[in-house]
Amino acid sequence: QQKVQQSPESLSVPEGGMASLNCTSSDRNFQYFWWYRQHSGEGPKALMSIFSDGDKKEGRFTAHLNKASLHVSLHIRDSQPSDSALYFCAASGASSSFSKLVFGQGTSLSVVP
Amino acid sequence: GPKVLQIPSHQIIDMGQMVTLNCDPVSNHLYFYWYKQILGQQMEFLVNFYNGKVMEKSKLFKDQFSVERPDGSYFTLKIQPTALEDSAVYFCASSLWGQDTQYFGPGTRLLVL
Repeated sequence: QQKVQQSPESLSVPEGGMASLNCTSSDRNFQYFWWYRQHSGEGPKALMSIFSDGDKKEGRFTAHLNKASLHVSLHIRDSQPSDSALYFCAASGASSSFSKLVFGQGTSLSVVP
Repeated sequence: GPKVLQIPSHQIIDMGQMVTLNCDPVSNHLYFYWYKQILGQQMEFLVNFYNGKVMEKSKLFKDQFSVERPDGSYFTLKIQPTALEDSAVYFCASSLWGQDTQYFGPGTRLLVL
């Protein structure tokens, strides 16, 4: 069973639209969450981290964390064609000081001009 | 942002041979990681490394795998001998401290024939 599940598997939004990506964890040990973006042929790049309940906004990106339901979301407003990529949710636990990230299977976002 | 470099970008090798993957982490980072990504699947943690020691490793980190960072130079992943199932993209990452954001390199695409 996957410990970090992402939905949807793929998403297509028009340029200028809002993209919403979801991530649910099945492990209550996870305390720290990240969103990574990976363009084809490149390594994943960290978009933002979220450790506390509520919203965190950075530019066009807003992450939301609900620890009670183990749900994390990422919302991208005013989506651009350059946002087309694979998005990964990643989680780590508080029990270890040496963080190992557990990744979801990814959401493929396509922003259509 | 912080850059992690990986050498080589691609490697083709015959099954049973030895391969060394090299990583140049962010200069002031103290924690180092290797992840494995098989095409179409999610990224999976292999090992993390701090202060010259392996701190944690996953079941994917077989006995044929080893890591080291001699004298603060490259952080290396050695596979000896290689097997067909080792074909994957290997990503190196580094972070300043254990629960900090991990920065990933562009990956080494390893093909074992």
